[in-house]
Amino acid sequence: AQSVTQLDSHVSVSEGTPVLLRCNYSSSYSPSLFWYVQHPNKGLQLLLKYTSAATLVKGINGFEAEFKKSETSFHLTKPSAHMSDAAEYFCVVSYRSSNTGKLIFGQGTTLQVKP
Amino acid sequence: KAGVTQTPRYLIKTRGQQVTLSCSPISGHRSVSWYQQTPGQGLQFLFEYFSETQRNKGNFPGRFSGRQFSNSRSEMNVSTLELGDSALYLCASSPGRSYNSPLHFGNGTRLTVT
Repeated sequence: AQSVTQLDSHVSVSEGTPVLLRCNYSSSYSPSLFWYVQHPNKGLQLLLKYTSAATLVKGINGFEAEFKKSETSFHLTKPSAHMSDAAEYFCVVSYRSSNTGKLIFGQGTTLQVKP
Repeated sequence: KAGVTQTPRYLIKTRGQQVTLSCSPISGHRSVSWYQQTPGQGLQFLFEYFSETQRNKGNFPGRFSGRQFSNSRSEMNVSTLELGDSALYLCASSPGRSYNSPLHFGNGTRLTVT
């Protein structure tokens, strides 16, 4: 079955330190992979996407993610956390199939940034 | 370009009532999807509409229904509301149905059922 797993439900970092949010996916088909961010009482905003071009994907607000097929991972990183990065982050997978339009969401990782 | 607009932002209903939520996609976007978000279940796919036709449906009871109009605006309806229907309902649009096309989300409608 197609699935996506975010390995941490909660991550806490200090402002100015690196951020790592981990995501693994099942590999039945060639996936497209996305990271979205959700601030309280807001919708989801796209951070970045991978669609089989470069394996290192750069997104908005200094975030980037690396697609590693051998590890079926798509971890999200940022060199230096900012207070405004505190939010919930979702790893999302979409598979090429005849029944497109349905995304598979991870359970989310809450990022806390301490001053 | 205006983003995805969902109305109303907040709604309080009582058990047994019905509710209609509205979503206006980004201009030019023809695909609209709906999601239910709760603390316990996370984000769950409800359905997707494209060119006024439902293309995909999640595992929700028949009390949940939707439609899309010729201008791509979409509505979802929940009848005979239950307490467990309390959630943030998110609408998302995209230009087409390509599997690698990202979604653009609205800010959601917060439904509380009492």
